[in-house]
Amino acid sequence: QQQVKQSPQSLIVQKGGISIINCAYENTAFDYFPWYQQFPGKGPALLIAIRPDVSEKKEGRFTISFNKSAKQFSLHIMDSQPGDSATYFCAAAISSGSARQLTFGSGTQLTVLP
Amino acid sequence: EAQVTQNPRYLITVTGKKLTVTCSQNMNHEYMSWYRQDPGLGLRQIYYSMNVEVTDKGDVPEGYKVSRKEKRNFPLILESPSPNQTSLYFCASTHLMGLTGELFFGEGSRLTVL
Repeated sequence: QQQVKQSPQSLIVQKGGISIINCAYENTAFDYFPWYQQFPGKGPALLIAIRPDVSEKKEGRFTISFNKSAKQFSLHIMDSQPGDSATYFCAAAISSGSARQLTFGSGTQLTVLP
Repeated sequence: EAQVTQNPRYLITVTGKKLTVTCSQNMNHEYMSWYRQDPGLGLRQIYYSMNVEVTDKGDVPEGYKVSRKEKRNFPLILESPSPNQTSLYFCASTHLMGLTGELFFGEGSRLTVL
């Protein structure tokens, strides 16, 4: 059972455009929503994260929008650059004792054309 | 340099030939985890460990074993590999995720089972 659904699977955007990746979750117990960025040949790395008590978090050109009632969250990349070309994973976590367990989405391969 | 180191990075093997993928971290993290990445399926957790001698199954543990005899090492063992275990494997670690929740990933081990 896929608890975090991510779309689209792939995305092509022109340089300077806005990239939008969407995720939906089912488990209302999730309390932490990070996004990871993965470049070819590398492991994923944390990009930005949000908690359900806020509706938006911005870090530079990257913004997470969070809609608790709809159980959806999205990543917006403003002024997309070729260097942003990577695979992006959304994730959700539920506190489990003293550790959080991350459930990842299926990933979005973003290509930003020069 | 803080890092998670996996070996080997690339491996081609045959069905039934036992293999071990090593993982070591130098950040004194309590939590370590193994994931496999497959196209369209994202990152799926195989096993995780919250401390020495404490391991637990993730979402796809069948066909895998792990051990945590030392805090820094968390090897993944395939006792009798099969072609459906052909995948890209990632080891990750963090302090117990109740704090920042950021997972630090290795650079991956690409395994092909013929």
